[in-house]
Amino acid sequence: DGGITQSPKYLFRKEGQNVTLSCEQNLNHDAMYWYRQDPGQGLRLIYYSQIVNDFQKGDIAEGYSVSREKKESFPLTVTSAQKNPTAFYLCASSNRQGPANYGYTFGSGTRLTVV
Amino acid sequence: GQQVMQIPQYQHVQEGEDFTTYCNSSTTLSNIQWYKQRPGGHPVFLIQLVKSGEVKKQKRLTFQFGEAKKNSSLHITATQTTDVGAYFCAGAGANNLFFGTGTRLTVIP
Repeated sequence: DGGITQSPKYLFRKEGQNVTLSCEQNLNHDAMYWYRQDPGQGLRLIYYSQIVNDFQKGDIAEGYSVSREKKESFPLTVTSAQKNPTAFYLCASSNRQGPANYGYTFGSGTRLTVV
Repeated sequence: GQQVMQIPQYQHVQEGEDFTTYCNSSTTLSNIQWYKQRPGGHPVFLIQLVKSGEVKKQKRLTFQFGEAKKNSSLHITATQTTDVGAYFCAGAGANNLFFGTGTRLTVIP
């Protein structure tokens, strides 16, 4: 079955460490997105990528970095510069025509906790 | 960035009661989408509305898009415990979606 796989499901990070969250999709979608969700809150856009080797900052990109070397993969690195990284991170993808026509497919998310 | 306001933030209902959540944008939306997120889960796409005044139904769920394409609503008739979760609206920007703050529905058996 096609879908989006995020790993790990739970991640614990010590202060000052960088961590990388994995996102892989086999839906043949061109566009991929990273959102952050805090408890009881909505989704805020971190980064998105419309095509391979290109990505754009979202509303809260500071302290995060991404790469898009393959169509299937869009990893997110949470750097030590991110002051409050504890959150639920969601990866999503959409088809060539973009989210306006077909909506997003989300992964199951990664819960990151700073210890 | 663009914003969509959603109310109420929380709603508790007795099983069998109706439920409505409202979404409002300060700008005209090309379309609006609705998602459901079960507790501990991830958002799942429910529906997309495109036309002014459009109304769509999915079983007990009724979705409306305002005439001015600036607001939308989701109404659930006779709620069930399986309806528990957060409901988000999302407006389409040029290259991505911007999500409302969500309404968290609790259904009391």
